[in-house]
Amino acid sequence: EAQVTQNPRYLITVTGKKLTVTCSQNMNHEYMSWYRQDPGLGLRQIYYSMNVEVTDKGDVPEGYKVSRKEKRNFPLILESPSPNQTSLYFCASLRLGGQSGTEAFFGQGTRLTVV
Amino acid sequence: AQSVTQLDSHVSVSEGTPVLLRCNYSSSYSPSLFWYVQHPNKGLQLLLKYTSAATLVKGINGFEAEFKKSETSFHLTKPSAHMSDAAEYFCVSPPIFRAGGTSYGKLTFGQGTILTVHP
Repeated sequence: EAQVTQNPRYLITVTGKKLTVTCSQNMNHEYMSWYRQDPGLGLRQIYYSMNVEVTDKGDVPEGYKVSRKEKRNFPLILESPSPNQTSLYFCASLRLGGQSGTEAFFGQGTRLTVV
Repeated sequence: AQSVTQLDSHVSVSEGTPVLLRCNYSSSYSPSLFWYVQHPNKGLQLLLKYTSAATLVKGINGFEAEFKKSETSFHLTKPSAHMSDAAEYFCVSPPIFRAGGTSYGKLTFGQGTILTVHP
């Protein structure tokens, strides 16, 4: 089954304690991205990656890092989390073009609380 | 540059009445456009997509959308709302894909429209 898997689904952590949210896709997609969703602000892109070792900043990259060492994985790293990073995070993987056309697939989301 | 604008942050309808959720786009190229739905405490589900084939696109759960280039719009409609349609809806523009295999731009979301359905 084609899917995007995020872990963990829920996480409560303390300020300053490094954490990683994992994202994995089994569709061999080149394009992956991370979003945060906050009430009244919609979904804002944090980082995206067009391919292995190719990453770029989105609209709200401050306080986040990503890496793309292999095509299937695109982890989101918070080196020193702060309470303003409390949010709902989504990972997306895109099929670009092809017979079935472009489509985005989303993980189930990670609800992060930083206290 | 790509952008999508959802014209209403909240829409409230009565069950059984029509739904209209508005989306305008801005793109230098003929775009692909999607509508996604997010039910409370759930992930994002694809409702329908436009990819320059038919301008009237039918999706799941009775929703449809019409791509109008002259109005740069891609409004989502449903003839008769159901209580289960209460959710947040996002108009989304994907990266531009070129036939040579390259792409540019990013997955761009509208601000979202919260649909409330009253009994």
